[in-house]
Parts: sequence; structure tokens; C-alpha cells
Amino acid sequence: DTAVSQTPKYLVTQMGNDKSIKCEQNLGHDTMYWYKQDSKKFLKIMFSYNNKELIINETVPNRFSPKSPDKAHLNLHINSLELGDSAVYFCASSQYGQGGETQYFGPGTRLLVL
Amino acid sequence: AQTVTQSQPEMSVQEAETVTLSCTYDTSESDYYLFWYKQPPSRQMILVIRQEAYKQQNATENRFSVNFQKAAKSFSLKISDSQLGDAAMYFCAYRTNTGNQFYFGTGTSLTVIP
Repeated sequence: DTAVSQTPKYLVTQMGNDKSIKCEQNLGHDTMYWYKQDSKKFLKIMFSYNNKELIINETVPNRFSPKSPDKAHLNLHINSLELGDSAVYFCASSQYGQGGETQYFGPGTRLLVL
Repeated sequence: AQTVTQSQPEMSVQEAETVTLSCTYDTSESDYYLFWYKQPPSRQMILVIRQEAYKQQNATENRFSVNFQKAAKSFSLKISDSQLGDAAMYFCAYRTNTGNQFYFGTGTSLTVIP
């Protein structure tokens, strides 16, 4: 059973398009995250949701909008895609107050904007 | 803000030998959590080991162990009997005891030489 899953795994699209990446976790965790990993492998947090509420919103363009329909899902919608958005996007989840709140990561979505 | 520094962008080790990856962090907190994550070429982020700051004993997971020096704010990872499958990018991460944000280092790329 996959703990944290993301779809799609690969996404190739043209500049200016709008796209979404979906994330689901079956761990019963109450906190979910989106990270961006650039070509230099630097991992940067973008958003964090706790119980469907936004708690961290780092400095990212407002073209990026997270949506959490329930605790098990945190989707990332990107409007007007730009070349610089090409990266690997990771979803992660953790449970507040448990085990040092280890984050469990999804397999990543490799986004390529042409 | 907390920062995590990995001063070794690349490391290499002979198969079956031991290698140590360094990590330092900056914080004013007394209670926090530290992690090492492994990212193989598949891009999956895999938890290697976790350390609670309030524990003096160094964490150990099979061939992986840490040297946690709280006063020095150092958290190095030792890999014993290195195997080809250990080749990956290794990220050190810090999690504050309050809030839900992780801080990642810039990573160390480990090569295992047969």
C-alpha cells in the first residue's frame, strides 16, 4: 500500500498552461506539505496544511494555489506555467505530536515546462 | 530562522568502507528533531534515521548511526560497511518542536565505488 501518492509522476506541458498535481496520503496524518526541488536538488517548502487549514505559505508566486478538500488530500494547482516552474514537486505528510513528526514523502512529480 | 548546513556537496567511499556525512544547524531552541533522508536516483525521499534532541543517546539503524553533538549543533551520519545501494543524495533536516516546518540542508551526493 502506498503511503503518500502523487499523480501524475511526470508532467510535460507548454508555457502558459494551467496544471494540477494531486496528492493523497493513507497514513491518517493531519498535516501535509508541498515541496519544490530544483535542478540543483535544493528542497524548499512551499505550503503546509494542518487539518485542511493553511499554516505555512512560503514566498511562492500566487500562480500556485494549494487545495485541501480533506485531511487526506492536498492538491497543487499552477496557473500560467513558466519555464522556471520546471522542477520536481514533492508532497509529504506527518502527524502532529507523533514520533518527532517524521515527514513521509510521495514519489515526486517531475514537471517540465517547454 | 533555523538553518541547516551540509558543507560536503559530494563524497565518495569504497564499498565496505565507512563514510561520515556532516551536518550542522543553527537554532535557539532546546527541543527539536533531526533527520537524515536519502534520495536515490529514483528521486524518492526515504527516511534514514531520526534523532530527538532531548535524547543524549545517538540513534542507530543497522549500518547507519549518527553522532549528535547538541552543544556544537552538529548531527553527522555515519554509514558503515557501505553498499552500492547507499549511493544517493543525503539530506539533513531539522524540525522545530513548535510549528510544522522542516528545514533541509542542500544535500550531499554520495558515490560508492565498487
